[in-house]
Amino acid sequence: DIQMTQSPSSLSASVGDRVTITCRASQSISTFLNWYQKKPGKAPKLLIFAASNLQTGVPSRFSGHGSGTDFTLTISTLQSEDFATYFCQQSYNTLWTFGQGTVVEIK
Amino acid sequence: QVQLVQSGAEVKKPGASVKVSCRASGYTFTSSDINWVRQATGQGLEWMGWMNPNSGNTGYAQKFQGRLIMTRDTSISTAYMELNSLTSEDTAVYYCARGRVLAEWEAFDPWGQGTLVTVSS
Repeated sequence: DIQMTQSPSSLSASVGDRVTITCRASQSISTFLNWYQKKPGKAPKLLIFAASNLQTGVPSRFSGHGSGTDFTLTISTLQSEDFATYFCQQSYNTLWTFGQGTVVEIK
Repeated sequence: QVQLVQSGAEVKKPGASVKVSCRASGYTFTSSDINWVRQATGQGLEWMGWMNPNSGNTGYAQKFQGRLIMTRDTSISTAYMELNSLTSEDTAVYYCARGRVLAEWEAFDPWGQGTLVTVSS
């Protein structure tokens, strides 16, 4: 199975901050990488697919970059509604795997 | 709009089985895979398996081989996830999610609202 490793596992930030989360795959996955946002008691929400493509309706402050094994999710100007847990997911093969998640907390 | 609606919370004893349903609406049920993902309290997302509602073909994560069964009823656009031989470690929120194909990529969108399964004696 392809292992996905996110860093950091948690971070504290303030509204208005720029936040970057990293995801690393155990083998090259080209751009087969998705990002999801998960809030407590809610279903996960697709933010970005194919490493850098913003899902319809997702604010432009979210962006994704990377290919091969190293990927990033950036929130350019953190808003109060962005405090959540973020997961990466490889879609290179149908033995789907997720990163362990990054909790974005209020400083 | 595209929507997945899951069945309600379940409480089961160790050794029992649970069957969770996922009803699709707003799209052609047989056109997209259905995946199942679970999240235990304080843990990450764990993919369990996929099913093609058109063919009935399935693929399961190795961890669940032998005790996970995914089925569907196309007449009512509903997918089912049955997990057998439950232990306390299976206590989690279970989600279904549509495998949405976007050009040559695929992602899970949307997700059901989640079903809490509690395993306790």
